[in-house]
Amino acid sequence: DSGVTQTPKHLITATGQRVTLRCSPRSGDLSVYWYQQSLDQGLQFLIQYYNGEERAKGNILERFSAQQFPDLHSELNLSSLELGDSALYFCASSVTPLNTEAFFGQGTRLTVV
Amino acid sequence: DQQVKQNSPSLSVQEGRISILNCDYTNSMFDYFLWYKKYPAEGPTFLISISSIKDKNEDGRFTVFLNKSAKHLSLHIVPSQPGDSAVYFCAAGSGGSNYKLTFGKGTLLTVNP
Repeated sequence: DSGVTQTPKHLITATGQRVTLRCSPRSGDLSVYWYQQSLDQGLQFLIQYYNGEERAKGNILERFSAQQFPDLHSELNLSSLELGDSALYFCASSVTPLNTEAFFGQGTRLTVV
Repeated sequence: DQQVKQNSPSLSVQEGRISILNCDYTNSMFDYFLWYKKYPAEGPTFLISISSIKDKNEDGRFTVFLNKSAKHLSLHIVPSQPGDSAVYFCAAGSGGSNYKLTFGKGTLLTVNP
């Protein structure tokens, strides 16, 4: 158990819908990262927050947004969902904003039908 | 453009023998490299890292070698154990981008008893 909690574990939704993925970082970790793993792809970095502020942005679509709340949990919002958004979404956390030894959650498997 | 490449999707070795997983990168700005291990239905777990100022880092049965001139790194597992069977991801980052990590697609290692 990495200490990073992601909910829900599985999500099935229809195209055009909007979903919210939630992440609770390890106790004491201020930095949260979101990654997407599509079929046969490596993990694609989406976005990073550190202590409530956006720190770095990767290949995140405009239909996607995220935020980190004062209690340090984070949410990833995916809207106008398309079939191609079906993927595993991982959250990771680390103490510092340097993503060198981040701890990953178990992921949320999103299926868009 | 895939900046981190793991050209072998899978590798099979006998228990007790050496496992060698390879990774190539193209971005010369990368100065920090990590290996993650991932079991099914779990998030990736940090395994070992190396910075560009070193060419070798060892942790128990795991050793990572870095050849900067060839932009190549490898993970050696000696001796391999059935519990090592997992997907191994190579990742790279640079201090200039807060070590935002770029991952390879992973190599599935199977260690046969």
